[in-house]
Amino acid sequence: GDSVTQMEGPVTLSEEAFLTINCTYTATGYPSLFWYVQYPGEGLQLLLKATKADDKGSNKGFEATYRKETTSFHLEKGSVQVSDSAVYFCALSQGGGFKTIFGAGTRLFVKA
Amino acid sequence: DGGITQSPKYLFRKEGQNVTLSCEQNLNHDAMYWYRQDPGQGLRLIYYSQIVNDFQKGDIAEGYSVSREKKESFPLTVTSAQKNPTAFYLCASLDPANNQPQHFGDGTRLSIL
Repeated sequence: GDSVTQMEGPVTLSEEAFLTINCTYTATGYPSLFWYVQYPGEGLQLLLKATKADDKGSNKGFEATYRKETTSFHLEKGSVQVSDSAVYFCALSQGGGFKTIFGAGTRLFVKA
Repeated sequence: DGGITQSPKYLFRKEGQNVTLSCEQNLNHDAMYWYRQDPGQGLRLIYYSQIVNDFQKGDIAEGYSVSREKKESFPLTVTSAQKNPTAFYLCASLDPANNQPQHFGDGTRLSIL
């Protein structure tokens, strides 16, 4: 079945460092891919999405490119801030979209 | 603004007691979902509903029940049969057209007294 694998956390960075959180997926069709962010005590918020191969999603300085050849959707940010500390979830949906498959989440800590 | 409202934000349950978590959405979405999240863990699907008066079990449905009498509402009951109910519960909704993303509420944290 479909699945999403994320790099294990926690990831600890200093402010202004470069961030990469790896995400790879397994899917039989052509899924849409998403990154969600969860701040402490809150629900998940959509951060960015990409619906087809080579699409780049971007928002708030974060970017991810849908790479079909490597089945990847890595999240990147050039300069992280303390306020980016959160848990990040990679996810996919397809087949009419009723089921979304989530990765296990990666916790990011950013130190001042 | 459209969104999903979960209530209460914090809930306490005594042993042997059923409790119901509320989830209401005004996004006009057909599909709704309940997830459970344990500390430091990912999301696990409890139940989902694709349309009014219909719902399906997710991966961890035992000890939980739901109803979907209205499009806007998808309450979750945590029954006394759920032996370890302490967790963070998230409700989500979805317009399934074109693989759109799920929208989430702010969650309810349930604890055992």
